[in-house]
Amino acid sequence: NAGVTQTPKFRVLKTGQSMTLLCAQDMNHEYMYWYRQDPGMGLRLIHYSVGEGTTAKGEVPDGYNVSRLKKQNFLLGLESAAPSQTSVYFCASRPRGNSNYGYTFGSGTRLTVV
Amino acid sequence: AQSVTQPDIHITVSEGASLELRCNYSYGATPYLFWYVQSPGQGLQLLLKYFSGDTLVQGIKGFEAEFKRSQSSFNLRKPSVHWSDAAEYFCAVGTGFQKLVFGTGTRLLVSP
Repeated sequence: NAGVTQTPKFRVLKTGQSMTLLCAQDMNHEYMYWYRQDPGMGLRLIHYSVGEGTTAKGEVPDGYNVSRLKKQNFLLGLESAAPSQTSVYFCASRPRGNSNYGYTFGSGTRLTVV
Repeated sequence: AQSVTQPDIHITVSEGASLELRCNYSYGATPYLFWYVQSPGQGLQLLLKYFSGDTLVQGIKGFEAEFKRSQSSFNLRKPSVHWSDAAEYFCAVGTGFQKLVFGTGTRLLVSP
């Protein structure tokens, strides 16, 4: 049981390049989230999805796009990378409903934009 | 807007000593509260969570937290710290659509 898998684990981009981060979960969770972690700022929500085909903006969505074409996958895209997007990106998922608020986090993707 | 404040950026505790990490939240409704731990280069692991009921919550690794509504606090405690507890600790509040709002974290250093 892999849980939440993020690929790639590390990436260096040049300013203006594009890339897609993949998050895959095998727990049949309805909700999925993308966070970024920056020193001294904790984790901030970029985008989230409450089901296949649906996405919504979080706290810091500018410069990012997402897609949830399949229930198990949540993709985070950077169309034109900027140095301000240098960060560690975490994906998380959880099942629907308040009775179990258990989030499962991936191990992160460390992105550097030069 | 919902927010979480962790006033201590760093805390150093001697091994075997007790630990308390502070967390204050701002949220209009009954909060869902969490503590997560992150070891270097790793993802986040859930230590414990509060939904309702008993205000003293037990978690993994010997941690506990107490919810105090009157103080809007959810402080994390451990009676005796081990060197392996050195990590970064995040408090979070659950908001609409099950989103988490995190505090900025407290880095715990354990001295021998």
